[in-house]
Amino acid sequence: AAGVIQSPRHLIKEKRETATLKCYPIPRHDTVYWYQQGPGQDPQFLISFYEKMQSDKGSIPDRFSAQQFSDYHSELNMSSLELGDSALYFCASSLGAGNTEAFFGQGTRLTVV
Amino acid sequence: DQQVKQNSPSLSVQEGRISILNCDYTNSMFDYFLWYKKYPAEGPTFLISISSIKDKNEDGRFTVFLNKSAKHLSLHIVPSQPGDSAVYFCAASVTDKLIFGTGTRLQVFP
Repeated sequence: AAGVIQSPRHLIKEKRETATLKCYPIPRHDTVYWYQQGPGQDPQFLISFYEKMQSDKGSIPDRFSAQQFSDYHSELNMSSLELGDSALYFCASSLGAGNTEAFFGQGTRLTVV
Repeated sequence: DQQVKQNSPSLSVQEGRISILNCDYTNSMFDYFLWYKKYPAEGPTFLISISSIKDKNEDGRFTVFLNKSAKHLSLHIVPSQPGDSAVYFCAASVTDKLIFGTGTRLQVFP
């Protein structure tokens, strides 16, 4: 069965550079969530989209932006990267919003040097 | 302010016995709860969920119990197997986001 696809799997960037992470949800899923997990920490909710509209927002820095496209894939854009942005970034998708299971991708490991 | 808490960072259980992972939450608006299993460098894998209108949900070796009055849920794994060794996150749902707990590392030894 198709799962959530994230690309790239690994990314190394220098400070002050920009990065774009992509997420392709499970087919027919209309909701996408982004999470950031630092070393030894729980996944922190960044932002979610339902039917291409932002539906909820968490602790996402102003330097980050995201959107969901007409094909339901989503991109997380990160600018002016800082060392502290180094983390695993997970995307999840679900069918509908609210009380449904969200399925996660393998994550993108971003390293800022 | 941690809205979802897993107070035991680690748990060690012998193979064949029961593993009980606990989770407490503070927000009474949470209406759906999920457990995820996570291996290093992989995304969380959905295990089992429960709606706030229920107090128990069972799926094979996994059972989740919800005590709304105590704002507490638990995951029981019976019998525990070495392949269950991983980090387990509970998560609570409100609107369009999941709030995760801090995780409990379960180790099942032979």
